[in-house]
This record gives sequence, structure tokens and C-alpha cells, in this order.
Amino acid sequence: EVQLLESGGGLVKPGGSLRLSCAASGFTFSSYAMSWVRQAPGKGPEWVSGISASGGGTSYVDSVKGRFTISRDNSRNTLYLQMSSLRVEDTAAYYCVKAAPWSYCGGDCYLFHNWGQGTLVTVSA
Amino acid sequence: DIQMTQSPSTLSASVGDRVTITCRASHNIYRWLAWYQQKPGKAPKLLIYKASTLDRGVPSRFSGSGSGTDFALTISSLQPDDFGTFFCQHYNTYSGTLGQGTKVEIK
Repeated sequence: EVQLLESGGGLVKPGGSLRLSCAASGFTFSSYAMSWVRQAPGKGPEWVSGISASGGGTSYVDSVKGRFTISRDNSRNTLYLQMSSLRVEDTAAYYCVKAAPWSYCGGDCYLFHNWGQGTLVTVSA
Repeated sequence: DIQMTQSPSTLSASVGDRVTITCRASHNIYRWLAWYQQKPGKAPKLLIYKASTLDRGVPSRFSGSGSGTDFALTISSLQPDDFGTFFCQHYNTYSGTLGQGTKVEIK
């Protein structure tokens, strides 16, 4: 069974930093692209960042470029999101999301298949 | 970034009704379009990918159509379990941009 367990959320002041982690199990982690998706209270989900299965390719939504860095350690089956220069508008639950298998896209793509339970990030003075 | 715009924002329909939700992309996305259903307190569930391919286990009353910039999700006969918010998504190797959502309520 696919399990994705996020950690690292919390309360931080504007301008501060946080590092989120996602521990993956139940599948071959190194074979799947992964994403971070956030959802603010009462809002729809927003794709934030993605990383290819090998870790060689990364992408970001414009609003976090230069502030957030996605990475992965395939030897530890763990996904990370380093967040800096945090803003009030970054407040949301952050979800670790496993991509669909290669057969769905013919390669790495950010088609969401399995989600973690989320970790809450609150940016407030 | 490509923008995804859904309409309507909300709709209310009766069991048995045919329901259609539309999604428009700001640029040509070919058929790289997915649809998800999210129920309160739950993660979104993939319904359709490549614009019209049903994911495993998704009831056949759901269907997707379109290509380029204009897409649609149709529920042929609305069922009580079909409430929730539906999202379209443009996906590829570089992006996973979602629409703002369409909330479906059962009358």
C-alpha cells in the first residue's frame, strides 16, 4: 500500500524558512515523479513544485520560484521542500503527491495519483 | 505559466441529470488534461486523464472530451455520490496546474 507521510510544518514568521519532508513507502520511490501540492483553507489545490523520478528535473509555480527548492533522496525514499522567504500567502496544508505510473504519460509527468495526509504551514507575525 | 479556467464555479442538479463542466486553457495543451473529484476532507481522486481516458474503477457515467484549449467533463446521469468539487488539470513534465474548481451539489 502506498504511504506518504509529511512532516516539518508549523508556525513561522514572514520571511522565515521551513523544510518539509515526505517519507514514502509501499512503492519503488525512485521510479516515480513527485510533487508538492498545497491547499489553503476553503480554496482549491495548487501545484507548487515537482521533481522527476531521477531528481534531475525540477519545476515550480511562478509564485515560489527563487524561494522554494524541491529535492529528493532516492536512497532514503524521501522527498523534501525547502521553503524560504515565506509569505502570509504561503499559508496552506502542503501535500506530498506521487505521480501516476509511466504508462499514463509515457514518461515523468505531474499527474496526481496518491496523496499524503498533509502538513500545515502557517505564516503569520 | 498556463492558466486553467473552469465554469461554472458551482452548479446544483438533480439525481439523473446530465451535467457538464468546462475547462479552458490559456494556451494549446493538446490532450494533456485531467479531471479530479474532491470530497470534503479528502484528497482529490483522479477520474480522467489524456482528456478522455477513464482511470481504473471510475464509473462509465463520467466522460471527458476536448483538445487544444477547450475541454469538458460530462456526467451522463448524476448520482448521489457525485457531489464534491471537480478540478481540471494541465499536466506534463514541467507543470501540474489546476483549475479553480467546480462545486457540484445534489438538489
